Amino acid sequence: EVQLLESGGGLVQPGGSLRLSCAASGFSFNDYAMSWVRQAPGKGLEWVSAINSRSEYMFYADSVKGRFTISRDNSKDTLYLQMNSLRAEDTAVYYCAKDSGDCSRTSCSEFDYWGQGTLVTVSS
Amino acid sequence: DIQMTQSPSSVSASVGDRVTISCRASQYINSWLAWYQQKPGKAPRLLIYTASTLQSGVPSRFSGGGSGTDFTLTISSLQPEDFGTYYCQQANSLPITFGQGTQLAIQ
Repeated sequence: EVQLLESGGGLVQPGGSLRLSCAASGFSFNDYAMSWVRQAPGKGLEWVSAINSRSEYMFYADSVKGRFTISRDNSKDTLYLQMNSLRAEDTAVYYCAKDSGDCSRTSCSEFDYWGQGTLVTVSS
Repeated sequence: DIQMTQSPSSVSASVGDRVTISCRASQYINSWLAWYQQKPGKAPRLLIYTASTLQSGVPSRFSGGGSGTDFTLTISSLQPEDFGTYYCQQANSLPITFGQGTQLAIQ
């Protein structure tokens, strides 16, 4: 059974940092691209970042470029999101999502499995 | 960036009704489109990918159609458990983008 378990969310002040983790199990983690998708309270889904299976390509939404860094450790089956210079508008539930395949240089696929999400609140 | 526009924003229907949700891409995306269902407080669930392929375990009353820029998600006979918000997502190019969502309520 595929499982994705996010952790690391919480309350942080504007300008602060947070590191999210996503522990994966039930599939061959090093064969698939992974993404982070967020959802602000009462709003729709927003893709944040993606990384291909071998960490060759990392992609970011313009809204987080230069502030967030995606990474993965295939030896630990874990995905990460380092979030710096956090803003109030980054407040959201952050989901870890498994791609159904791998990303190329220009595109990724749909997300066939999602974690339960971790809430990040940026507020003073 | 490719903009995804869904219609309607919300719909209310009765059990047994046929419901269709539309999604339009601002650029040609071939068949690189997915549909998700999300219930309150839960993660999204993949229903359809490559515009018309049913994800494993999804009931056959769900179907997807279209290609190019115009797509549809159809529920052939609405069931009580089908309430929630539905999102389309393009997988043609980065950045990945989602539609704004369609809220489906059961009358």
